[in-house]
Amino acid sequence: GAGVSQSPSNKVTEKGKDVELRCDPISGHTALYWYRQSLGQGLEFLIYFQGNSAPDKSGLPSDRFSAERTGGSVSTLTIQRTQQEDSAVYLCASRPGTTYEQYFGPGTRLTVT
Amino acid sequence: LAKTTQPISMDSYEGQEVNITCSHNNIATNDYITWYQQFPSQGPRFIIQGYKTKVTNEVASLFIPADRKSSTLSLPRVSLSDTAVYYCLVVSGGYNKLIFGAGTRLAVHP
Repeated sequence: GAGVSQSPSNKVTEKGKDVELRCDPISGHTALYWYRQSLGQGLEFLIYFQGNSAPDKSGLPSDRFSAERTGGSVSTLTIQRTQQEDSAVYLCASRPGTTYEQYFGPGTRLTVT
Repeated sequence: LAKTTQPISMDSYEGQEVNITCSHNNIATNDYITWYQQFPSQGPRFIIQGYKTKVTNEVASLFIPADRKSSTLSLPRVSLSDTAVYYCLVVSGGYNKLIFGAGTRLAVHP
């Protein structure tokens, strides 16, 4: 079946611009996560949505970062006033309610020039 | 969340068995041990998860001693396509945020 999809696959933006990254989780998965992977920094957790509960935003690095999940499905990660240190691969993952296994998408490579 | 320690890199040859050991001294009673695999330019992929003793699936085996302070991922008869980064994670029973360490970079040679 269809896996987690993310768009765009690559995004180049100028410093100071806003960007939106999209994640389409696997249908029926109740949990959705965003992670970031930077060169030399490894994978870091950003935010977690579970059903209708308030999201866990503890991993967001600054208030320039925000995310929403509409209708319990698609999620958008927004980065305002992008900085060069925001350059990374942004990964989305979803999980069914019954297991711990997270299914990752291919990621969006963001380059801020 | 318990911190994990695993080797930075390992080398092996096709057809050999590879064992990657991870230490997690501060694992809590409700925690599970999970392993993910990541190929270049792809998101991580779940391999296996266990709580104690031994778990086996079509891809790997996971050995966890009684004290649960370490675990060993065993990959039987590796091939070139097993070249990847392998992450050991401890997942809290009631909270599934994944905290990734540096992982083990496995290189399989012909």
